[in-house]
Amino acid sequence: QSALTQPASVSGSPGQSITISCTGTSSDVGGYIYVSWYQQHPGKAPKLMIYEVSNRPSGVSNRFSGSKSGNTASLTISGLQAEDEADYYCSSYTSRSTVLFGGGTKLTVL
Amino acid sequence: QVQLQESGPGLVKPSETLSLTCTVSGGSISSYYWSWIRQPPGKGLEWIGYFYYSGSTNYNPSLKSRVTLSVDTSKNQFSLKLSSVTAADTAVYYCVRAEAFDIWGQGTMVTVSS
Repeated sequence: QSALTQPASVSGSPGQSITISCTGTSSDVGGYIYVSWYQQHPGKAPKLMIYEVSNRPSGVSNRFSGSKSGNTASLTISGLQAEDEADYYCSSYTSRSTVLFGGGTKLTVL
Repeated sequence: QVQLQESGPGLVKPSETLSLTCTVSGGSISSYYWSWIRQPPGKGLEWIGYFYYSGSTNYNPSLKSRVTLSVDTSKNQFSLKLSSVTAADTAVYYCVRAEAFDIWGQGTMVTVSS
């Protein structure tokens, strides 16, 4: 099973909005609501930001939002802040009852 | 709140078995799925497998032949064994609560080298 496809990098200026895509197939992203997003700062463990496509865990800023269309899920960060600079990963449950991660996207806040 | 802590050797020789334990504190290991996830240096996340406390398991097909997950409910711990390791298994290993991977341990670096 191949990893989900994410752009290697995205960038934006403070205050702007950016969107990170996560493309899979009908056997994973397109077939299930179990798509999640994680933020990872250098040397730290990943942190859950979005689960079940568009739900935010308690304590996560409402500047983070998730959506899905077909086989592609998206993470949008609005009102970019310097602290948002990190690596972002998507994950999806699959038809084989396994889990796939995306390759990760490095977000740079200019 | 629930916290996870990985423990085990930081250095394993090639062809040997990597063994890690995750201790769950602040909550019961029962009633949840639990996972191991790893991250090679400078690379992305790789799901290793998950299990339910009652014994149900599922593994990454690419690692399935070498992985064993087990649980000790009396100690509130679960474990990972990865056999026949090579340098490609060098990574930070995380234990994670598999409810959308909402709770992570701090991770433990394991290096495979002679």
